[in-house]
Amino acid sequence: SQKIEQNSEALNIQEGKTATLTCNYTNYSPAYLQWYRQDPGRGPVFLLLIRENEKEKRKERLKVTFDTTLKQSLFHITASQPADSATYLCARPVSGGYNKLIFGAGTRLAVHP
Amino acid sequence: GAGVSQSPSNKVTEKGKDVELRCDPISGHTALYWYRQSLGQGLEFLIYFQGNSAPDKSGLPSDRFSAERTGGSVSTLTIQRTQQEDSAVYLCASSSSSGTSGYNEQFFGPGTRLTVL
Repeated sequence: SQKIEQNSEALNIQEGKTATLTCNYTNYSPAYLQWYRQDPGRGPVFLLLIRENEKEKRKERLKVTFDTTLKQSLFHITASQPADSATYLCARPVSGGYNKLIFGAGTRLAVHP
Repeated sequence: GAGVSQSPSNKVTEKGKDVELRCDPISGHTALYWYRQSLGQGLEFLIYFQGNSAPDKSGLPSDRFSAERTGGSVSTLTIQRTQQEDSAVYLCASSSSSGTSGYNEQFFGPGTRLTVL
């Protein structure tokens, strides 16, 4: 079955450092992967989408990679700030359903001043 | 414009009661999704509406759960005879995707926190 696995342990880093979050998937490579941010008590907010033929995608301080050999996506936040503290979710489309997503459990990031 | 809205924001009910959760998607969005999120867990897919197509109900955990979408807009998720294990945050999302050609992001509402006593 298709799964999305994210490190369930919280990631604690110092302000200014680069945070790297990992998303691993099973089965065939999806057409794309999406990354969302979720703050406590709120719904997830879309951040980035990367297609399987794209190795890397950037948006301001965010960078996402897609490695179909390792079946893995990495999500980087450079020059991290305490305001970046949140849970980050990775999602992939379900087979045959481009718009139906499977979400990982998310990784909680805490950026300390 | 307005985002996805959900009501109520919080719902406390007694075991065995029925509850209705409402979702108002972004105007014009053809796709609507319901998810459930338990404390510290990821999003569990429940049901997906796409335009006028038959909904994908494959994620509904039991026949106590049902959902409808009227006029291609507002959606209601109904849970009958609630159980304590139904306690969770129920999230609604919409997207402007159409068919299988979309790579579109989902816009989420704030969720309804359901507590079954």
